[in-house]
Amino acid sequence: AQSVTQLDSHVSVSEGTPVLLRCNYSSSYSPSLFWYVQHPNKGLQLLLKYTSAATLVKGINGFEAEFKKSETSFHLTKPSAHMSDAAEYFCVVSWFSGGYNKLIFGAGTRLAVHP
Amino acid sequence: EAQVTQNPRYLITVTGKKLTVTCSQNMNHEYMSWYRQDPGLGLRQIYYSMNVEVTDKGDVPEGYKVSRKEKRNFPLILESPSPNQTSLYFCASSPNRDVAQPQHFGDGTRLSIL
Repeated sequence: AQSVTQLDSHVSVSEGTPVLLRCNYSSSYSPSLFWYVQHPNKGLQLLLKYTSAATLVKGINGFEAEFKKSETSFHLTKPSAHMSDAAEYFCVVSWFSGGYNKLIFGAGTRLAVHP
Repeated sequence: EAQVTQNPRYLITVTGKKLTVTCSQNMNHEYMSWYRQDPGLGLRQIYYSMNVEVTDKGDVPEGYKVSRKEKRNFPLILESPSPNQTSLYFCASSPNRDVAQPQHFGDGTRLSIL
């Protein structure tokens, strides 16, 4: 069975310090993996995606994620947090099965950034 | 501007009163879907549509209906809303059913069923 686990429901960092949001997945197929960000009262916006090319994926706003198959992880990082990074982040697994595109969303990690 | 538009953004209504949430995309996308977002559960898929007149159930379809008569529109219908359908709803679209394609999301509709 496919699943996504975001290991932290809340993460708090100081502005200028590194960000690490953790995501583990389980999939019987070759998945595509995504990170989305949700700012208050807005829809989800794509940060980055992994689709079986380079294992280190660079996204928007300085975020990147590394696909580690041996650890079934896809953690999101950023070297230096900015106040505008405060939002909720979702890890998503997508795969193709039975003629249909399937997606599972993680429960989300809320990132707080303090001055 | 490429976008997915949902209406209304906010709605408070009462149990049993039929309502429709509209969704429209201007990107000529084939694939559209509806999600509900509840605290601690992430987003769960309600229904999806591969193309015009092709729809199917997602993970939590009970109490909802959809239709896809035109490519750009994918309304969500609650025939007899109940309080457990109080939630934040998102419509999304993508070019096709390719799993590598990211979803484009609307800004959400917050429904409160009293």
